Amino acid sequence: DAKTTQPNSMESNEEEPVHLPCNHSTISGTDYIHWYRQLPSQGPEYVIHGLTSNVNNRMASLAIAEDRKSSTLILHRATLRDAAVYYCILPKTGNMLTFGGGTRLMVKP
Amino acid sequence: AAGVIQSPRHLIKEKRETATLKCYPIPRHDTVYWYQQGPGQDPQFLISFYEKMQSDKGSIPDRFSAQQFSDYHSELNMSSLELGDSALYFCASSFWTGKRYEQYFGPGTRLTVT
Repeated sequence: DAKTTQPNSMESNEEEPVHLPCNHSTISGTDYIHWYRQLPSQGPEYVIHGLTSNVNNRMASLAIAEDRKSSTLILHRATLRDAAVYYCILPKTGNMLTFGGGTRLMVKP
Repeated sequence: AAGVIQSPRHLIKEKRETATLKCYPIPRHDTVYWYQQGPGQDPQFLISFYEKMQSDKGSIPDRFSAQQFSDYHSELNMSSLELGDSALYFCASSFWTGKRYEQYFGPGTRLTVT
């Protein structure tokens, strides 16, 4: 998988927006950008994915830079339940996921 | 909505014993993935199956084997268990359409080897 770089940790206040960055400068033209999160004591959970255009779903928004070398996961109003490790992943062959270097998001009440 | 089912949820085994973990994917999902997560570590991909054929292989020890059955459920067989095999084992499923679609994870099986 193409290498991704994310901050180790971030803090947010409850009910405020959160912008989680991810750098993927070696991304290829066919690489999709996936975001997963893992809440404490739970399995990973799919959040969102995109290729070139910005994407929105009920959980979050994904903003993709024009050159695709970076992306930002946006949580519009963080809740305590959003405290988790967020992984930015660019799956390759077979869609297997390589987890590593995610961002631990802490949400303060 | 139906989710991925894993059984058992907890398993305690002794060294050198064998263990079998089961995974029941979401209905109509044709691809199953297995991941291992050691204490304080990120999940690591072990193996995957698409339409009952092995599709990808990751860092799965030779002591482990897996298969996907005709009803699409999958089993991970682990033999000669070692203390280092103590981990959470997650199964995930997806419906493969040739695009990079999302994987849905089960709650995991916590294996403790004593």
